[in-house]
Amino acid sequence: KAGVTQTPRYLIKTRGQQVTLSCSPISGHRSVSWYQQTPGQGLQFLFEYFSETQRNKGNFPGRFSGRQFSNSRSEMNVSTLELGDSALYLCATGRGVQETQYFGPGTRLLVL
Amino acid sequence: ILNVEQSPQSLHVQEGDSTNFTCSFPSSNFYALHWYRWETAKSPEALFVMTLNGDEKKKGRISATLNTKEGYSYLYIKGSQPEDSATYLCAFPRGANNLFFGTGTRLTVIP
Repeated sequence: KAGVTQTPRYLIKTRGQQVTLSCSPISGHRSVSWYQQTPGQGLQFLFEYFSETQRNKGNFPGRFSGRQFSNSRSEMNVSTLELGDSALYLCATGRGVQETQYFGPGTRLLVL
Repeated sequence: ILNVEQSPQSLHVQEGDSTNFTCSFPSSNFYALHWYRWETAKSPEALFVMTLNGDEKKKGRISATLNTKEGYSYLYIKGSQPEDSATYLCAFPRGANNLFFGTGTRLTVIP
């Protein structure tokens, strides 16, 4: 079965712009979680969606938002980009915390 | 322990050596403990999800143990190979599908 897909894979933006990233989960997975990875910080949890509802949110400013569609695909949006938003953004899908979470290949965002 | 802590931060071993790393996590309200392998330019790959105290899981030359009462898990690699070079992450759920990750152990296997 197809894995988790993320688009785009690479993105270059300038400060002040906004960006939308997309994640399509494995068929049958209704939960999508988003993570940010920056050098020296490790993987930081952004938010998690289940059945089109945000269930959990990490400690990120309101410029970071997301949504989930009825087909479980999820998007995250970052508005008013800052240099510090340059990072690898990963999404993960699964059936629950006691089961395997599958990661997508990530979107690498560079803010200039 | 309030967070997930991993040690050591990095490790260099010779090909054929066996090695192990530690993950420490909060011992209260335990749901599960995840181990991932993250190779450069790839996405994190799930190794194990451990849920029961005393759990031991094995995948080829890699195995893991779990002690939920004292809040630690060990990951062992027997006979390390260069392809084992990666960052090994453990993660602890803080809510539904919300994983709190440690900063990882970066393993380099020298041929």
